[in-house]
Parts: sequence; structure tokens; C-alpha cells
Amino acid sequence: GQNIDQPTEMTATEGAIVQINCTYQTSGFNGLFWYQQHAGEAPTFLSYNVLDGLEEKGRFSSFLSRSKGYSYLLLKELQMKDSASYLCAVRARRSGGSYIPTFGRGTSLIVHP
Amino acid sequence: DTAVSQTPKYLVTQMGNDKSIKCEQNLGHDTMYWYKQDSKKFLKIMFSYNNKELIINETVPNRFSPKSPDKAHLNLHINSLELGDSAVYFCASSLGGRTGASMSYTFGSGTRLTVV
Repeated sequence: GQNIDQPTEMTATEGAIVQINCTYQTSGFNGLFWYQQHAGEAPTFLSYNVLDGLEEKGRFSSFLSRSKGYSYLLLKELQMKDSASYLCAVRARRSGGSYIPTFGRGTSLIVHP
Repeated sequence: DTAVSQTPKYLVTQMGNDKSIKCEQNLGHDTMYWYKQDSKKFLKIMFSYNNKELIINETVPNRFSPKSPDKAHLNLHINSLELGDSAVYFCASSLGGRTGASMSYTFGSGTRLTVV
């Protein structure tokens, strides 16, 4: 099975930088995703890491260390609209040969003025 | 153009009823999924189909029966609904599934099921 851990809730100030951590334990690792989910809406894709290192995409960056089973999502220049839940998802090879992502419980980020 | 569309968006029904949720994707993806998101926002895989073939069936009561008439559609039928089935059900699709070649998963807007 997989074990994915991320903080339940974080708060930050508009314009600041926030880092949301995700730790995982799995076998057959095949990539880590970050998704953003606003209340009452569908999760939307933010980033994908399969190799160690930092992937930057505008105000959002995602980092992966496979040896440590660790990832973080970095959000810069926070805006009020960034208030949402951020879901860490780990894809791993299952016994039947398929690859399915397993989601963490999500981190609810509250951005205040 | 909606990439992954599911209907209905809201469903309120009584215990014991049978209901269906439909999902369609126009992305040309070959793998589709059903996820359940409970009140604690935990998103859990239920089923996955690749080219109409069931590849993942998590520990889900057999009251839940998915059906994939073609690779663009994956419907979910639920028999004898129970209070604990109340949740948001998300359909998703991706390219790949067996080889790990898929890069991201596109979700539908969700169906909020309330059993009373």
C-alpha cells in the first residue's frame, strides 16, 4: 500500500511564499502529482515530477526527492485566489501492472490579506 | 468544449433507490476512472477502465457497478443506496494506465450524491 502525508491546513499572507510538504512511502514509484482543488470544484493539474529536482512553472514550483520520499509545492506571490486545497498524489505500479495515482488528504491553504 | 463531463451534477435520493451517474470524455484518452471524495475531502480510487477493460477494482461494495460501453464513456450504477454513499463522485481520464506513460489526469466537475 501507499502512505501519503501532508499538513491538513496552512495559512499565509497575500504576496508571501508558502511551501506545502508531502511525504510518501510506496513501492514501484512512478511519479508524483500536485493538484489544486477549489471548494466545490474538480481537482486541476498543477505539476508532475518523476525525477529528482525542481520543476518551475510560473508562480508554482514542485520539488521531488525520491530517496527521501519527499516533495513540496512552492507557491510564490500568493494571491487570494490561491486559497484552495492542494492534493499530493503518488503514482505507483500495482500488482496487476497498472499505474494509478493515490491521493493524499490534501492541504487546505487559506490566503488572507 | 467540456473535456470530461459527468451528469448529473447534483443527485438527492432516498435510501434503497438505484441511481446512475454518467461520464464522457472527448480527449481521446483510453483510461477512465471513478473516484469518491468523502466529507473529509479524501479522494479515493474506486474503479479504472483501460479501453473498456476493468483494470482496477478497489474494495468497493458490489452495489457499485461500473460500465464502459466504449473508451469515451464510463458510467457508474449504484444499487440499494445507503446513507454512507453520500459523497462527491469524480470521473477522470488519462492517456495510458498500464505503461505509466500518462502524465496527468483530467477530472470531471463531480456529482454530489446525497442519500436521505
